[in-house]
Amino acid sequence: DAKTTQPTSMDCAEGRAANLPCNHSTISGNEYVYWYRQIHSQGPQYIIHGLKNNETNEMASLIITEDRKSSTLILPHATLRDTAVYYCILRLRKDTDKLIFGTGTRLQVFP
Amino acid sequence: NAGVMQNPRHLVRRRGQEARLRCSPMKGHSHVYWYRQLPEEGLKFMVYLQKENIIDESGMPKERFSAEFPKEGPSILRIQQVVRGDSAAYFCASSLTGAGNEQFFGPGTRLTVL
Repeated sequence: DAKTTQPTSMDCAEGRAANLPCNHSTISGNEYVYWYRQIHSQGPQYIIHGLKNNETNEMASLIITEDRKSSTLILPHATLRDTAVYYCILRLRKDTDKLIFGTGTRLQVFP
Repeated sequence: NAGVMQNPRHLVRRRGQEARLRCSPMKGHSHVYWYRQLPEEGLKFMVYLQKENIIDESGMPKERFSAEFPKEGPSILRIQQVVRGDSAAYFCASSLTGAGNEQFFGPGTRLTVL
């Protein structure tokens, strides 16, 4: 079962920042926070991951609270193409790991 | 560098037939994962393979489903005697190594069982 909790859906205006929260209160010390998204009918796409420090790449920023019990994915300037289901996933970095997807957050970006 | 390729993209089978889904990982990747997505649901892990070896099949149904990743050629997910409940999107992902490396997903095969 997924160990994360996300809102079912969110809306965001085009050009504004989209802030997607994720709760993972039972995270263990060696679990990473990963974010993937799935645009309608396509395969999931990796976005970003982190352990305890905030991370930024060309797609997004990841803010992890100091106690690591929650995190926020930030899309700084959302576009219509960012409309997708966003999954927050905890992973142990070991050989047999697999991705355990929850229900995710359905982000709708509107004009 | 081509991404993960899956074929066919769409597959229609009648109940009782066999379905064979193929996945060619990214060049240089030797780790393959299969996931299934039922309509309106999230993805569920099925099986994780390295070349010629099944590493984790904890998500595979006990009957009718099998997977292989031969030394040469694509990974194959085989479903025997399909039933309507097998209708789903099947996604393959590959990674360079295991141990938490990023998984790159293919476009999926949509199986419809009539």
